Amino acid sequence: DVKVTQSSRYLVKRTGEKVFLECVQDMDHENMFWYRQDPGLGLRLIYFSYDVKMKEKGDIPEGYSVSREKKERFSLILESASTNQTSMYLCASSYWGGTAFFGQGTRLTVV
Amino acid sequence: GESVGLHLPTLSVQEGDNSIINCAYSNSASDYFIWYKQESGKGPQFIIDIRSNMDKRQGQRVTVLLNKTVKHLSLQIAATQPGDSAVYFCAESPYQAGTALIFGKGTTLSVSS
Repeated sequence: DVKVTQSSRYLVKRTGEKVFLECVQDMDHENMFWYRQDPGLGLRLIYFSYDVKMKEKGDIPEGYSVSREKKERFSLILESASTNQTSMYLCASSYWGGTAFFGQGTRLTVV
Repeated sequence: GESVGLHLPTLSVQEGDNSIINCAYSNSASDYFIWYKQESGKGPQFIIDIRSNMDKRQGQRVTVLLNKTVKHLSLQIAATQPGDSAVYFCAESPYQAGTALIFGKGTTLSVSS
């Protein structure tokens, strides 16, 4: 089975902190994605990567950056956390043009 | 921007009924469509997919129908069970370089016994 693992299920961080969310997939997928999910807004794409060291902005990249140094790992970085970044964060991976498989999500609260 | 939308935000059915969840997509270049199920506190889980060269695909208790003429996608769940209660999302994949899945906002299915 495809496995996408996010490093934390729940996180609480303070405003202004630098936050790292980690995601690892074990299926040798080229593509990896970070979404955030908020009530009434569905899943919104923050960033995605289609190869090591490659990244593309999604719909809402402001306040976020990403890193993909290895094929299996895709990190989301909140440079200076703010309360409006409190959300559920979902990582996914896929082959090119194929189904995206999701991790279990990280619920981040910024206080 | 381009988006995938669902017709109803909520759907309530009785156990044993058949459920139909609808989705309209806007990108005629999309050639791959996926339905996901998301239970509370979990990530979306793949249910079934369909490519644009098909108009119907069946799985276990689920069927996806694709109507490219009107850009409409539906998920049919037969003999709905309480365990089917979840949020269902459709997603489309424009088969172009550098594009990611586009998701609709979801339909919450509630099944009562």
